[in-house]
Amino acid sequence: GAGVSQTPSNKVTEKGKYVELRCDPISGHTALYWYRQSLGQGPEFLIYFQGTGAADDSGLPNDRFFAVRPEGSVSTLKIQRTERGDSAVYLCASSLAPGNEQFFGPGTRLTVL
Amino acid sequence: KNEVEQSPQNLTAQEGEFITINCSYSVGISALHWLQQHPGGGIVSLFMLSSGKKKHGRLIATINIQEKHSSLHITASHPRDSAVYICAVSTGNQFYFGTGTSLTVIP
Repeated sequence: GAGVSQTPSNKVTEKGKYVELRCDPISGHTALYWYRQSLGQGPEFLIYFQGTGAADDSGLPNDRFFAVRPEGSVSTLKIQRTERGDSAVYLCASSLAPGNEQFFGPGTRLTVL
Repeated sequence: KNEVEQSPQNLTAQEGEFITINCSYSVGISALHWLQQHPGGGIVSLFMLSSGKKKHGRLIATINIQEKHSSLHITASHPRDSAVYICAVSTGNQFYFGTGTSLTVIP
């Protein structure tokens, strides 16, 4: 595709459940970023991949959050034992190389009831 | 303390007005980014700059590295410019975002 895509666009789940959010970056982009945006706030950095490895995961709030990018392309953000406070829009972005212009996906709106 | 501060938080303007949004940052950066986010929409990158000034259509972005300050200007504003404008800085691997400036341009 031409841009970054994310699925699902919306996810409603119950407290305590497990969710997976998927990001398809622009083909050829080696850097992939996950962000979380709460209502009225700017995006908050979660994790950054360079290729297949997580180059910086310092933004993950706790060990319930985990992300993978096994083949250096698609990435999955995984949240275990979801809590109501996890409700937010989860944004993915990719760039050709670290520090370059980022291209954002449309986001996944996660609602934890 | 936020690494990136934007002002104003909210801005309402009449169509045709000249608009300025300010961004100050406290960390060493490799680049500064201005992003646009429409309600319910994704984020679009407007500018990436590390020095000087860039212009794209009615949008102008400037940065002063010594003062750690950047401005985004919109000339001849139009209702379709209504959006949230976000300043972000990149420091190697990480990006720090401001909370955004919500702009409403009234016809």
